[in-house]
Amino acid sequence: DTGVSQDPRHKITKRGQNVTFRCDPISEHNRLYWYRQTLGQGPEFLTYFQNEAQLEKSRLLSDRFSAERPKGSFSTLEIQRTEQGDSAMYLCASSLQGLLLETQYFGPGTRLLVL
Amino acid sequence: AQSVTQLDSQVPVFEEAPVELRCNYSSSVSVYLFWYVQYPNQGLQLLLKYLSGSTLVKGINGFEAEFNKSQTSFHLRKPSVHISDTAEYFCAGSDNYGQNFVFGPGTRLSVLP
Repeated sequence: DTGVSQDPRHKITKRGQNVTFRCDPISEHNRLYWYRQTLGQGPEFLTYFQNEAQLEKSRLLSDRFSAERPKGSFSTLEIQRTEQGDSAMYLCASSLQGLLLETQYFGPGTRLLVL
Repeated sequence: AQSVTQLDSQVPVFEEAPVELRCNYSSSVSVYLFWYVQYPNQGLQLLLKYLSGSTLVKGINGFEAEFNKSQTSFHLRKPSVHISDTAEYFCAGSDNYGQNFVFGPGTRLSVLP
C-alpha cells in the first residue's frame, strides 16, 4: 500500500457549481478524516468516519458540504453551489483505531479554486 | 478545549545551524502532541509524536521535540539543518487518543545556503 491517495489533485470550478473529491485511505485503516487548509493556516477539522459511520462534523461543515464513506473504504466529499470562500486545500487522513495513540496519515490533498 | 499556538510564522536559518520551532498548547485533559512537516505541493508527513513516557521524543530526519508540561510546550529542534529541511512545520494536539486533532497555524522554515 502506498498511502492515502486523493483525486483530483487540483480542481478549478466556477462559483455555483458542484464538486466532488475522493479519498482512498490506507487499506486497513478504519478511521478517515477530512480537513480544510487555507493559505497560511494549519488544517482545520471538517469531519471523520469510523468505518462507514460519520461520527463527528465540525461547525465549519455547512449544509452545502456532505461527506460519505458508503462501504467503509473510500470516502467522497461533495461541495454544492461552490463559493469563492471554498477555495482551499482539502486534506484527507486515515488512521487505525487501536489501544495506543493513533497516528493520522495524510494524503497529498485536493486544491480547489473557485472562480 | 484544546488549542495549539505557534508563535513564529517564519524562521529563516542558515544551513548547518541549529533551529528551534516553538509550539505551545492548552488543555485541561490528557494531551497528545504531534509535529508534522509539509513540503511544497505535498501532504503532511508525521515527524514525531508524544503520548507519554520520556519527555524527549526523537523523530525522523534528525528532529526531536521535548514535552514540557510546566511550560505547556512541545518545541521542535534540530542541531544542524539542511537545505532540504525547508518546509512548513505544523504542531498538532489531540485530547482524545488521536482524534479531534487541532493544528497550529504553522511555521515556515527557510534554510539558507
